[in-house]
Amino acid sequence: QKEVEQNSGPLSVPEGAIASLNCTYSDRGSQSFFWYRQYSGKSPELIMSIYSNGDKEDGRFTAQLNKASQYVSLLIRDSQPSDSATYLCAAGAGGGGNKLTFGTGTQLKVEL
Amino acid sequence: GAVVSQHPSWVICKSGTSVKIECRSLDFQATTMFWYRQFPKQSLMLMATSNEGSKATYEQGVEKDKFLINHASLTLSTLTVTSAHPEDSSFYICSGNRGQGLVSNQPQHFGDGTRLSIL
Repeated sequence: QKEVEQNSGPLSVPEGAIASLNCTYSDRGSQSFFWYRQYSGKSPELIMSIYSNGDKEDGRFTAQLNKASQYVSLLIRDSQPSDSATYLCAAGAGGGGNKLTFGTGTQLKVEL
Repeated sequence: GAVVSQHPSWVICKSGTSVKIECRSLDFQATTMFWYRQFPKQSLMLMATSNEGSKATYEQGVEKDKFLINHASLTLSTLTVTSAHPEDSSFYICSGNRGQGLVSNQPQHFGDGTRLSIL
């Protein structure tokens, strides 16, 4: 069974701090990785995608991928209360096709 | 770009009713669409993968006769919950994906979801 593991949290950080969200995956064949943000009662929205080892930055967000360790992370700099949400990590199916395997999500709370 | 529209947002209906949910990709052609359901405080559960012009592929444990999926065009997929019962009450979310072929790196783009309540 292909799995994506995340700590469910909640992860609490003060406003302005860096929030670090982590994810591990079991399918060594996965080539694509995504971070989604989901507010309570809403559907997920795509924040970042990453395909190569290393860091990818987009505004306050940085995604990090280490395929050798099967590890993906998301850093949120200068965290804002509006960043409070559940963050879902997803890995593309290594065997082909378009399916994603989602983690259970990490709840982030940014406190004033 | 990559906007997915889902309709309706909310449905409240009596037990035994069939409910149709539409999912449209507005600014791209969605070769593949996916249907998920999500219970409160739980993660997304993939129900089925829908490819344009062919039968949907259902995940294990999902009744294909209960959840009818049609993907008649590259921009529209529908999910019909037949003879719905209270246990079918959930948040149903569709997503679209531009990818095709054996390997795709395209992300999925989600609709706003449909909250279904069966009385």
